[in-house]
Amino acid sequence: NAGVMQNPRHLVRRRGQEARLRCSPMKGHSHVYWYRQLPEEGLKFMVYLQKENIIDESGMPKERFSAEFPKEGPSILRIQQVVRGDSAAYFCASSPGREFEQFFGPGTRLTVL
Amino acid sequence: GNSVTQMEGPVTLSEEAFLTINCTYTATGYPSLFWYVQYPGEGLQLLLKATKADDKGSNKGFEATYRKETTSFHLEKGSVQVSDSAVYFCALSRDFGNEKLTFGTGTRLTIIP
Repeated sequence: NAGVMQNPRHLVRRRGQEARLRCSPMKGHSHVYWYRQLPEEGLKFMVYLQKENIIDESGMPKERFSAEFPKEGPSILRIQQVVRGDSAAYFCASSPGREFEQFFGPGTRLTVL
Repeated sequence: GNSVTQMEGPVTLSEEAFLTINCTYTATGYPSLFWYVQYPGEGLQLLLKATKADDKGSNKGFEATYRKETTSFHLEKGSVQVSDSAVYFCALSRDFGNEKLTFGTGTRLTIIP
C-alpha cells in the first residue's frame, strides 16, 4: 500500500504566478489535511477536507488560497498570485476517518522568487 | 487556543547518550499528545502517542509520559543511535486523530558516532 503522495516535491514560482500542489491520499483514505511549515516554524494546520467537502478551513488565509478534494483524483491546494511569504513546505496528511491517525506525505517545497 | 512549546534545537549528542527533548502544552479539555519524527527528505511519521493523563507512549526505545499536572510530554530515550538523527515534533489534538494537529516548532537531533 503506497503512502501519501505529493507532487511536485519542489516547485519554483515567480511572484504573481499560480501554484498548484497535489496530494494523493493512501488507498481507502477519504480524509485529507493540509499543513504549512514556514522556515524555522512548526507545521500549521490549514484545511481539512473529505471527499467533495471542506470540513474545516480555519487555518486557511482568506485570500488567494483554496483547496479541493474531488470525488475522483487528488486533493489540490491552489495558491493564486503567489508572494514571497508563501515560500514554505506544504504537507498533506490523510486518514480513513476523523478518529484515526493521520499519515503524512513527504511535502512540497514551494519557493517564490 | 491550543499551543505546544518545544525545546529549542539543534541538539547534538554522542551515540549511546541519554536523550530528553522537552515539550509542554496549553490546551483546554483533555487533548491527545503525540511525537512525530521526520527523517531527511521524508514526511512526518507518528513515533508515539498518549491519549489520557499518566499514559506512557513508547516505540523504538523512545518513551513519553502524559503529565497533566505539569502539562508536559517530554520525549526520552536511554541510548541513542546514529539512525535516530532526525527532526522531532511534539503535537496535540483535541481528541486522538480528530481534526487538526497543533505542532511545536520541531527539534533537530544529530547523533555523532
